[in-house]
Amino acid sequence: TQLLEQSPQFLSIQEGENLTVYCNSSSVFSSLQWYRQEPGEGPVLLVTVVTGGEVKKLKRLTFQFGDARKDSSLHITAAQPGDTGLYLCARNNDMRFGAGTRLTVKP
Amino acid sequence: GAVVSQHPSWVICKSGTSVKIECRSLDFQATTMFWYRQFPKQSLMLMATSNEGSKATYEQGVEKDKFLINHASLTLSTLTVTSAHPEDSSFYICSGITGAYGYTFGSGTRLTVV
Repeated sequence: TQLLEQSPQFLSIQEGENLTVYCNSSSVFSSLQWYRQEPGEGPVLLVTVVTGGEVKKLKRLTFQFGDARKDSSLHITAAQPGDTGLYLCARNNDMRFGAGTRLTVKP
Repeated sequence: GAVVSQHPSWVICKSGTSVKIECRSLDFQATTMFWYRQFPKQSLMLMATSNEGSKATYEQGVEKDKFLINHASLTLSTLTVTSAHPEDSSFYICSGITGAYGYTFGSGTRLTVV
């Protein structure tokens, strides 16, 4: 059972489009991490968010942590085929992962 | 940066045999190591948390006698899948804690039981 809900589960878009994926929990996160995973490899850390309301940017990726620290979002601007992968959120206190959003960006 | 070296990267074994997967922390001491299993097109499911020098804590539904975890040193944790069956075929990944918010993942082991 996934304790973190991620949506959407699958997302297929054209190159250049924008997208947002979400990570939600019924309980408060002490902190949360976003990872990206490619097939056959381990997850790679994108960002850690700690403070409610926090916004972090990583090039075309913008991460938000909800004020109540129960939700987070990842927004990608002008998606590129290289952004294709499985995006996962994880609770820091016990390193459990959400179900993930599988993103495909078509050229 | 911190690296977790995981071996083997893939293994094929016969049903009923045992397979050992190793995760070594390079350049840091992994007091705690997380072990995950990932089925195709699914997320990482936490199997167990191992702490150096003590027994691992297994998640509900994970058979501790089937998935033996040993964390005898600060740089090595192993997962042994005993009496493997085809349904154990999966991608297994370990992760070590490198700091307050730092987690470093191994590259994974693809296990196929035939």
